[in-house]
Amino acid sequence: GESVGLHLPTLSVQEGDNSIINCAYSNSASDYFIWYKQESGKGPQFIIDIRSNMDKRQGQRVTVLLNKTVKHLSLQIAATQPGDSAVYFCAENMDSNYQLIWGAGTKLIIKP
Amino acid sequence: DTAVSQTPKYLVTQMGNDKSIKCEQNLGHDTMYWYKQDSKKFLKIMFSYNNKELIINETVPNRFSPKSPDKAHLNLHINSLELGDSAVYFCASSQRDGNSPLHFGNGTRLTVT
Repeated sequence: GESVGLHLPTLSVQEGDNSIINCAYSNSASDYFIWYKQESGKGPQFIIDIRSNMDKRQGQRVTVLLNKTVKHLSLQIAATQPGDSAVYFCAENMDSNYQLIWGAGTKLIIKP
Repeated sequence: DTAVSQTPKYLVTQMGNDKSIKCEQNLGHDTMYWYKQDSKKFLKIMFSYNNKELIINETVPNRFSPKSPDKAHLNLHINSLELGDSAVYFCASSQRDGNSPLHFGNGTRLTVT
């Protein structure tokens, strides 16, 4: 079936460097994409979202890029900090469906 | 001022028991969800309610029964607990449909022995 997947299950980044977390999706009809951050012992927390009529959206230290040609989504975190350590999930949706399609998650590890 | 709160945070029980997890949201959202997260962190939707009406009922055993007394509450009752039910259960809410961000509670870690 169609799904959202992540290329890397674990990503290690030096503190202060930029992090890039990638996500591939297979449903070309998806029109809404969202990133969540889950810290240990907590629920997933919304980071940023993007709709299919956009290619890029920026937040505070985070940028989401959407490449519909290759069905690829990425989350960029600038100047990675220890507090960014978490599991990051991408998710997609189509036609305002109540059921998001979730990726498997990428664990981001910050090296001091 | 917790937005989505669920209780208890930890639940340890024996096989065959019946247990409930409660969830409340004070965000004024119309839609609430229950998700199950396994040991590999995979998130799977179980149920969704919109204005107290069931709109998603995924393939879960009928031992799991959600109850929504009002749109701010969505409780999960589990009968005859099994070892495989051990997981973290998350309640979430959203303002409307799947195109609005979900707000999650901090989870209930269920351990069945």
